[in-house]
Amino acid sequence: NAGVMQNPRHLVRRRGQEARLRCSPMKGHSHVYWYRQLPEEGLKFMVYLQKENIIDESGMPKERFSAEFPKEGPSILRIQQVVRGDSAAYFCASSPSTTDTQYFGPGTRLTVL
Amino acid sequence: QKEVEQDPGPLSVPEGAIVSLNCTYSNSAFQYFMWYRQYSRKGPELLMYTYSSGNKEDGRFTAQVDKSSKYISLFIRDSQPSDSATYLCAMGISGGYNKLIFGAGTRLAVHP
Repeated sequence: NAGVMQNPRHLVRRRGQEARLRCSPMKGHSHVYWYRQLPEEGLKFMVYLQKENIIDESGMPKERFSAEFPKEGPSILRIQQVVRGDSAAYFCASSPSTTDTQYFGPGTRLTVL
Repeated sequence: QKEVEQDPGPLSVPEGAIVSLNCTYSNSAFQYFMWYRQYSRKGPELLMYTYSSGNKEDGRFTAQVDKSSKYISLFIRDSQPSDSATYLCAMGISGGYNKLIFGAGTRLAVHP
């Protein structure tokens, strides 16, 4: 059973460009979580999604950030008009239910020049 | 005050030592307690997961939860160089979904 997959693993963008981060959960998992990790800091919750629904986006910045988890295909975290402060590692996790443990992907490291 | 406090270290120990890693928290609503291990530039890997106060053992790892003191610990016995990593504590609130609140992580180095 393949683990959580994220791509790209590394992404370089210039200020003002858009970043799209993809997450394919483990087979059978319909719950997806996105976290952001700044250098030397722990992971910070951003958003929780189930198929076609955003359940909790309380950790997402109000502007420029959006997330989706369509019926078919991976979950997408989209950052518009990136700024240098968006440089971080973005991790996706999935679980089969709301009370099961979360399994993390390898992360996408975003660098904004 | 952060919801979860964790000493960032770094912590350096000789091979074979017993390692103690700790977190404190302020929110009494936390019901789930986890320890993740993260190697450099990798994703977090779940080590231990517990719901209740007390001890839980898995091989060389023991997780301890004291809800009355809002304090959790991870003990690593017979530490190995391969244990060198950052250890993250994480907590969740029951009743809906498992949004995790992480500590900052403790960097551990086990030297031969």
